[in-house]
Amino acid sequence: DIQMTQSPSTLSASVGDRVTITCRASQSISSWLAWYQQKPGKAPKLLIYKASSLESGVPSRFSGSGSGTEFTLTITSLQPDDSATYYCQQYNGYSNSFGQGTKLEIK
Amino acid sequence: EVQLVESGGGLVQPGGSLKVSCAASGFTFSGSAIHWVRQASGKGLEWVGRIRSKPNNYATAYAASVKGRFTISRDDSKNTAYLQMNNLKTEDTAVYYCSSSYTTTWYAAFDIWGLGTMVTVSS
Repeated sequence: DIQMTQSPSTLSASVGDRVTITCRASQSISSWLAWYQQKPGKAPKLLIYKASSLESGVPSRFSGSGSGTEFTLTITSLQPDDSATYYCQQYNGYSNSFGQGTKLEIK
Repeated sequence: EVQLVESGGGLVQPGGSLKVSCAASGFTFSGSAIHWVRQASGKGLEWVGRIRSKPNNYATAYAASVKGRFTISRDDSKNTAYLQMNNLKTEDTAVYYCSSSYTTTWYAAFDIWGLGTMVTVSS
């Protein structure tokens, strides 16, 4: 099975800051990587698919990059509403797996 | 309106069985894979398994943690998918989400999610 490792596990930043979350796959997944945002008590929300494609309706402050085994989610101009847990996910055909999550706190 | 609605969660004893459902509306259910994802309280997301569409032979795949105990099925005539859970363990306690995609291609991220149903395994 493909293992996904996210870093950092927690992150604290201020309104207006730029933050980056990293996700590493245990083997190449090409660009079959998605990023989700989840708020407490809610279902996850798709932000980025195919490593760098922005889901419709998601602010352009969110961007993704990478391919193979190394991926990043970048959020610019942080807003209070960005406080959430972010997960990467590989969907490389046979099975899927998620990273352990990154909890983002807005100071 | 696009919706996935899970139902059938509840309290079950260790070793018991439970079947939860996922009813879909507002998108081409029959053409899309259906996935189950779970989340224990305070923990991360765990992919449980999926079932593909009829053109893909309703192929299923499961996480190692549930393989041999859980079975996913679907009834396209009812726009409903199911997760049959047998020999339940306390560590299966979680909110169970079903998810899918507007995309009917082989590789698809999950852009449609239900609200989840709570399954508690306890004596």
